[in-house]
Amino acid sequence: NAGVTQTPKFQVLKTGQSMTLQCAQDMNHNSMYWYRQDPGMGLRLIYYSASEGTTDKGEVPNGYNVSRLNKREFSLRLESAAPSQTSVYFCASITGNREGYTFGSGTRLTVV
Amino acid sequence: SQKIEQNSEALNIQEGKTATLTCNYTNYSPAYLQWYRQDPGRGPVFLLLIRENEKEKRKERLKVTFDTTLKQSLFHITASQPADSATYLCALGNSGGYQKVTFGTGTKLQVIP
Repeated sequence: NAGVTQTPKFQVLKTGQSMTLQCAQDMNHNSMYWYRQDPGMGLRLIYYSASEGTTDKGEVPNGYNVSRLNKREFSLRLESAAPSQTSVYFCASITGNREGYTFGSGTRLTVV
Repeated sequence: SQKIEQNSEALNIQEGKTATLTCNYTNYSPAYLQWYRQDPGRGPVFLLLIRENEKEKRKERLKVTFDTTLKQSLFHITASQPADSATYLCALGNSGGYQKVTFGTGTKLQVIP
C-alpha cells in the first residue's frame, strides 16, 4: 500500500517554463488536494477535488490549473512558472470515513 | 481574518518529560481540530482529531485537549523520546468539510536525550 505518490521529488524551472506535478493515491479516496508549504506560512490550499469529476479553487489558485484525471490521479500544472511559485508542494487525499489527510512526500520546486 | 497561532520558537525538552504544544486561534469557530507530525523533507502525518463537543482525546502517549471558550488546543506527548522530535502542525476545520481545513505554521519539538 503506497498511499499518496508524488512525482517528481525535485524540480528546477526557469521563469516562464511550464510543468505538471503528478499525484496518485491507491487508497480509493474520494477527495484530493494540492497544498503549498512556505516558511512561516503554513500549508495553503491551492486546489481541491471533492470527488472524481469536480475541482475547486482553494486559497491560492492563481497561476495554477488542475486535472482530476480519474479517481486515483490529480495533477497540478504551472503554465508559466514564476519565482513566487518556488515552494514545496504536497498532494493529499481523504475519504468520508477517515479523520485526517494522507499526504505525499512532496515536490520541492525552485523557479529561477 | 481567521488566524491560527502556534509557537514559532522550537520547544526543547528532556527525554522522559511531558511535552506540551499550544494551538491558539482567533476569528474562527472550528467544528474539529487535527494534529499532524511532520519530519524534515516529508509530508505531514495525521495523528489525532478532536471535535468541538469533545474536551479531551487520547492515543497511546498522545493527549489532545480542545477548549472552545479559550479558543485553544493543547497537544501533550508523555514520556517523550528523541524519536518524537519533529514539527507538529495543528489544523482547524469547519462543518463545510475537509476542504475548509486551515493549517497552523507548526512548532518544532526537540527531545534531548
